Amino acid sequence: EAGVVQSPRYKIIEKKQPVAFWCNPISGHNTLYWYRQNLGQGPELLIRYENEEAVDDSQLPKDRFSAERLKGVDSTLKIQPAELGDSAVYLCASRRRGASTDTQYFGPGTRLTVL
Amino acid sequence: RKEVEQDPGPFNVPEGATVAFNCTYSNSASQSFFWYRQDCRKEPKLLMSVYSSGNEDGRFTAQLNRASQYISLLIRDSKLSDSATYLCVVNGGNNDMRFGAGTRLTVKP
Repeated sequence: EAGVVQSPRYKIIEKKQPVAFWCNPISGHNTLYWYRQNLGQGPELLIRYENEEAVDDSQLPKDRFSAERLKGVDSTLKIQPAELGDSAVYLCASRRRGASTDTQYFGPGTRLTVL
Repeated sequence: RKEVEQDPGPFNVPEGATVAFNCTYSNSASQSFFWYRQDCRKEPKLLMSVYSSGNEDGRFTAQLNRASQYISLLIRDSKLSDSATYLCVVNGGNNDMRFGAGTRLTVKP
């Protein structure tokens, strides 16, 4: 089975520029997560989707971050404009909506550097 | 207070040592629990789920204490390849997966 796919793997931009990250979850996984991970920290949830519905976006900085999952499959996370503090790894994960013991599977992440 | 808290580490142990990591969570309604492993510059990967009765997978043993809202991971006979960051993950319900900050382990020859 194919894993979670993310692109790009690396992105370097100047501050105030826009950037977008793409995620394709594992087939059949209804739940999709976007996390941000800073160096030496655990992943912090930005937004969680159940199918196409954003059910938890309380940690998403809505002034500059946006996300969509229009058909309940692929998802895009956007930052506009980027700030220096946005430099981090952005991880996408998916999970089958079944038993509570079902686990998440992560993509390789996008490493963003804002100069 | 963070929802999931772990020993800050780092842990530096010799090969063959036994090492234990602790994790506490604040949401008493949490439903399921996991330990993930993350290698440097890689994504987190599931190490093992944590069951109420405790569970073992080879050299790894996970324990859950719901009354104290506490999870542990024990690694016996440490190998060099066990060097990584270990992340405690709690499902607070409705697929709400929350991570601890991670505990870094270095196993030395």
